[in-house]
Amino acid sequence: DAKTTQPPSMDCAEGRAANLPCNHSTISGNEYVYWYRQIHSQGPQYIIHGLKNNETNEMASLIITEDRKSSTLILPHATLRDTAVYYCIAGGSEKLVFGKGTKLTVNP
Amino acid sequence: DGGITQSPKYLFRKEGQNVTLSCEQNLNHDAMYWYRQDPGQGLRLIYYSQIVNDFQKGDIAEGYSVSREKKESFPLTVTSAQKNPTAFYLCASNPGQQAGYYGYTFGSGTRLTVV
Repeated sequence: DAKTTQPPSMDCAEGRAANLPCNHSTISGNEYVYWYRQIHSQGPQYIIHGLKNNETNEMASLIITEDRKSSTLILPHATLRDTAVYYCIAGGSEKLVFGKGTKLTVNP
Repeated sequence: DGGITQSPKYLFRKEGQNVTLSCEQNLNHDAMYWYRQDPGQGLRLIYYSQIVNDFQKGDIAEGYSVSREKKESFPLTVTSAQKNPTAFYLCASNPGQQAGYYGYTFGSGTRLTVV
């Protein structure tokens, strides 16, 4: 699985867009990019995943660069309930390998 | 509702005792996983199973054992050989290889404290 690099923490104002970056420069051609989030003391929650194309669902948008070496998760209108640790995972889907993630704090 | 049930939510054990953590899913998923999480850290894979009666070691399998006798159940035993067992344990499942492993579902976790 490819190694990912994420900033340890970020802040965002409530109602604004939260843009969480992830570097995965060693990703191979058949490896997906997955995003999960974990609210304190709960199990991780799936957000979105993608291979090459940008993806959007009811929770977020995923922008993957053309060379696939980095991606950005976008929460379009962050709320206080979006405060969590966000994990970017690049790899095969047989097993997920988690890094330390980004602690996103949404401020009122 | 379909999901994963981990029990109990909190578990206390004396040092030197084996303890078994329960994980049950009613999602009809083939693959199941156990992760360990320490404070301020990401999740680390302990064991995983892609099919009944088969399982593989993850990155930190030493001191743990598992069984997969039923599709719905994947219990984890923390043995006395595990040097630092106090942690938050998470179970997960996904549909498996035929479905491209999409759609991981996680349980709510068991917080184990060894005193």
